[in-house]
Amino acid sequence: IAGITQAPTSQILAAGRRMTLRCTQDMRHNAMYWYRQDLGLGLRLIHYSNTAGTTGKGEVPDGYSVSRANTDDFPLTLASAVPSQTSVYFCASSDSKQGADTQYFGPGTRLTVL
Amino acid sequence: GQNIDQPTEMTATEGAIVQINCTYQTSGFNGLFWYQQHAGEAPTFLSYNVLDGLEEKGRFSSFLSRSKGYSYLLLKELQMKDSASYLCAVLDSNYQLIWGAGTKLIIKP
Repeated sequence: IAGITQAPTSQILAAGRRMTLRCTQDMRHNAMYWYRQDLGLGLRLIHYSNTAGTTGKGEVPDGYSVSRANTDDFPLTLASAVPSQTSVYFCASSDSKQGADTQYFGPGTRLTVL
Repeated sequence: GQNIDQPTEMTATEGAIVQINCTYQTSGFNGLFWYQQHAGEAPTFLSYNVLDGLEEKGRFSSFLSRSKGYSYLLLKELQMKDSASYLCAVLDSNYQLIWGAGTKLIIKP
């Protein structure tokens, strides 16, 4: 069944370490997104990509970087992790950058930074 | 600023009907989504409204009033599996989704 996969499922990380969260979709969707979800807050957009080769900043981009070398993969990198980046991270994709296209979510990565 | 408001938690009885409200104040409006999220899982799409009125899909219905900045999700014939969080999200003028914090729905037998 087509969908989005994320890796790792969970990770405990020491502060200051570098970490890359992986996201792969096989639906050939143009747009991809990274969100973080914290207790009591709505999903917050970190970075997005409307199409392969382009990326943009969301609501909370500081401390994170992304790349979109091809349609399928959209990795999220924390260059030097801090405890405030402890969160659940969801990757999502949609068929186009505009309009009412539904976003489909991966299973999430639970990250703890100590 | 942009704001989406939903009740934090609601409780209902199996077999009953529940209405989850969502009010929004956003820079522009290009549609409103409802997603369901079971604990520890990813959000999954339930409904999309861009025009005023009621959209019905099985046991779930979603209503939108753009003039009032208001939507609700109506769940009928509640089942235990409906216990989940329900997320309201608005597509703003930049076509970015602005998310509410979600409403945790607890179903009691």
